[in-house]
Amino acid sequence: AQSVAQPEDQVNVAEGNPLTVKCTYSVSGNPYLFWYVQYPNRGLQFLLKYITGDNLVKGSYGFEAEFNKSQTSFHLKKPSALVSDSALYFCAVRDGSWGKLQFGAGTQVVVTP
Amino acid sequence: EAQVTQNPRYLITVTGKKLTVTCSQNMNHEYMSWYRQDPGLGLRQIYYSMNVEVTDKGDVPEGYKVSRKEKRNFPLILESPSPNQTSLYFCASRGDMAPGANVLTFGAGSRLTVL
Repeated sequence: AQSVAQPEDQVNVAEGNPLTVKCTYSVSGNPYLFWYVQYPNRGLQFLLKYITGDNLVKGSYGFEAEFNKSQTSFHLKKPSALVSDSALYFCAVRDGSWGKLQFGAGTQVVVTP
Repeated sequence: EAQVTQNPRYLITVTGKKLTVTCSQNMNHEYMSWYRQDPGLGLRQIYYSMNVEVTDKGDVPEGYKVSRKEKRNFPLILESPSPNQTSLYFCASRGDMAPGANVLTFGAGSRLTVL
């Protein structure tokens, strides 16, 4: 069975500092990995995905994520956080193209001025 | 604009009073799904549909029904709501064509309170 873990309920970072949101996963086949962001009172928005190819994936709003197969991780990163990046971030994994999408519990990011 | 539209956005109801949350997408997507979001639990799938007249249970289907009579619509039905169904509900759809393949498009959410 597949699973995904976001070990931090909340990440606090000062504006201008690097931001990292952690995600680890477990699948039996090839992982399809995703990051979504939820702003207050809004639905989830897609940030980026890894299906195959380069381990470093670039997405929307300056975010990127690195697929690490040996550590089964897919951490989300941004070099310089903005106050407007404050939101709830979800990691999700599918076990191959036909697997069910499994979401993590979410990590609240708080960026202070 | 490509979007998933849910209604109502907010609803307060009482135990046992049947309600329907509508979901419509304008992207001609085959796949549609309902999720509920609860604090600390992330998003859990209720039901999904691979295409018209094809639906299947997700992780937490108890107390819910769905139908898919048309490609664009995927309503969520609570026949006899109970307080444990108080939650934030999201409808989502997904196409199979690049560049959006594998990516879910979410509605804005429907916050339901059952008293």
